[in-house]
Amino acid sequence: GQSLEQPSEVTAVEGAIVQINCTYQTSGFYGLSWYQQHDGGAPTFLSYNALDGLEETGRFSSFLSRSDSYGYLLLQELQMKDSASYFCAVSSSGGSYIPTFGRGTSLIVHP
Amino acid sequence: EAQVTQNPRYLITVTGKKLTVTCSQNMNHEYMSWYRQDPGLGLRQIYYSMNVEVTDKGDVPEGYKVSRKEKRNFPLILESPSPNQTSLYFCASSLDALAGTTYGYTFGSGTRLTVV
Repeated sequence: GQSLEQPSEVTAVEGAIVQINCTYQTSGFYGLSWYQQHDGGAPTFLSYNALDGLEETGRFSSFLSRSDSYGYLLLQELQMKDSASYFCAVSSSGGSYIPTFGRGTSLIVHP
Repeated sequence: EAQVTQNPRYLITVTGKKLTVTCSQNMNHEYMSWYRQDPGLGLRQIYYSMNVEVTDKGDVPEGYKVSRKEKRNFPLILESPSPNQTSLYFCASSLDALAGTTYGYTFGSGTRLTVV
């Protein structure tokens, strides 16, 4: 099966940089993706990594290290609206590429 | 507008009374899926469908049924709801499972179900 670990909660102040880590266990790894969910709302796709390295999309970046089974989401210039839950999700060839989601990290941004 | 539409948004029902949560997408997506979300447990997949008439169990299928008679619709059926099925439910779709992994799934707005 597949499993993921991410912190349950992270806090930071407006304007700061925060990193949300995700470690995973799977066989036939295909990719790691990230979703954002505001309280009770629909999850929205943020990023996807299949190869090692950093992918940047505006203030958000996502990193993957396949050898360490590890990735992180980096949020820069934090804004209050970034307060949300962030989920990592791992896909594997053995799982028909259907992602298994982590339990989510609640990010609280303080003024 | 491209979207996944779930109905109802909120539902309170009693134990044992059959209910259906509808899900419809207008993007001609082949892949559709149902998730439940409970505090501290993240998104857990209930059932998924790779295409019309092709459905399969996810991680937590007990107590649920699905059907995929048309490409756009993927209803979730609770034949005899129980209080442990009280949860927030999401439907999601993508062009296919692989595209969803790479480009992301489109989620519906959610259905908050309470079974008393």
